Amino acid sequence: DAKTTQPTSMDCAEGRAANLPCNHSTISGNEYVYWYRQIHSQGPQYIIHGLKNNETNEMASLIITEDRKSSTLILPHATLRDTAVYYCIVSLSVGNEKLTFGTGTRLTIIP
Amino acid sequence: NAGVTQTPKFQVLKTGQSMTLQCAQDMNHNSMYWYRQDPGMGLRLIYYSASEGTTDKGEVPNGYNVSRLNKREFSLRLESAAPSQTSVYFCASSGWDEFDEKLFFGSGTQLSVL
Repeated sequence: DAKTTQPTSMDCAEGRAANLPCNHSTISGNEYVYWYRQIHSQGPQYIIHGLKNNETNEMASLIITEDRKSSTLILPHATLRDTAVYYCIVSLSVGNEKLTFGTGTRLTIIP
Repeated sequence: NAGVTQTPKFQVLKTGQSMTLQCAQDMNHNSMYWYRQDPGMGLRLIYYSASEGTTDKGEVPNGYNVSRLNKREFSLRLESAAPSQTSVYFCASSGWDEFDEKLFFGSGTQLSVL
């Protein structure tokens, strides 16, 4: 897997957009960018993934730069329940590789 | 669907004792994983199984054995527990959910080795 770099922690005001950056400068052309989050001590939960194009689902948006060396996860209207550790992972696919998680970004939503 | 089910949720062992963590998924997924998470750290892969009958080592396999009993079940065994194995253990499986391929995690087993 290509390695990723994320800030250790971030704060965001409730109701504002939370923008979580991820650097993956060694990503290869056919590797996807995946985002997961872990709320308190629960098992991580899938958020979104993308290859080249920007993606949006009911949880978040993913913006991938044109050179694919970095991406940003956007939570459009952060709530207190979005307080969690967010992991950015690059991989060919979920099922065909031994995925590894780094330490992620601890996002705290401030009331 | 129950998803990924792990048992037990909590366990306390004495150094040298053995135990098996059980994991089962009902989503017909081929791939299954065992991770450990130490306080303040990310998840580290212990073992991985791409399909029934196959297993492969991850980052931190020492001190552990696994069995992929069938497509549904993937167990993790500690033969002689050590305090360094105190951690939260997560089992996961991967497969397609409507349009996306993703990992599904169990709720974790908190293990303390005294």
